[in-house]
Amino acid sequence: DSGVTQTPKHLITATGQRVTLRCSPRSGDLSVYWYQQSLDQGLQFLIQYYNGEERAKGNILERFSAQQFPDLHSELNLSSLELGDSALYFCASSVGGSITDTQYFGPGTRLTVL
Amino acid sequence: AQKVTQAQTEISVVEKEDVTLDCVYETRDTTYYLFWYKQPPSGELVFLIRRNSFDEQNEISGRYSWNFQKSTSSFNFTITASQVVDSAVYFCALSDPHQGGSEKLVFGKGTKLTVNP
Repeated sequence: DSGVTQTPKHLITATGQRVTLRCSPRSGDLSVYWYQQSLDQGLQFLIQYYNGEERAKGNILERFSAQQFPDLHSELNLSSLELGDSALYFCASSVGGSITDTQYFGPGTRLTVL
Repeated sequence: AQKVTQAQTEISVVEKEDVTLDCVYETRDTTYYLFWYKQPPSGELVFLIRRNSFDEQNEISGRYSWNFQKSTSSFNFTITASQVVDSAVYFCALSDPHQGGSEKLVFGKGTKLTVNP
């Protein structure tokens, strides 16, 4: 158990809908990362927050957004969902957000878009 | 751009065999970190090891060992005397620095290891 929690575990929804994925980092970690794992794209970095502020952006679509709240939990919002958004979404956290900090991953949220 | 290649898509071995998972990386940075993560059938990603680019010493942790060779840009992972519980997808990853000192990870496609009894 990494100490990172993600809810829900599974999510099934329809195209065009909007969903919110939630992540609670390990106690004491200030940085949260979101990754998407799909069969064709593999594991891809989406976005990073550090202490409430956006730190880095990766291959995140404009239909997706995220935020980190004062209690350091983070939410990833996915809207206008398409079939291709079906994937496993991971959240990771680290103490800081620098090159020396190891990222610990949550169990993931499996999103299925029908 | 950073790139990680895990050429072995799938490997199947019999219990107690040794197995090596290959990882080759590309980077222009002089300071970088390499990682291995394990993804068992349950799905979560489990951190195994982090090495920095200045430390080329091999590392051993129980049945696991890692061989980091800068000259060939490789960071290979060996499991000695494999066990059924080692069955998982193993990912090699490389740090990709951003401005402001933040880091993201660039992952290889993963190697699926099946250890048969």
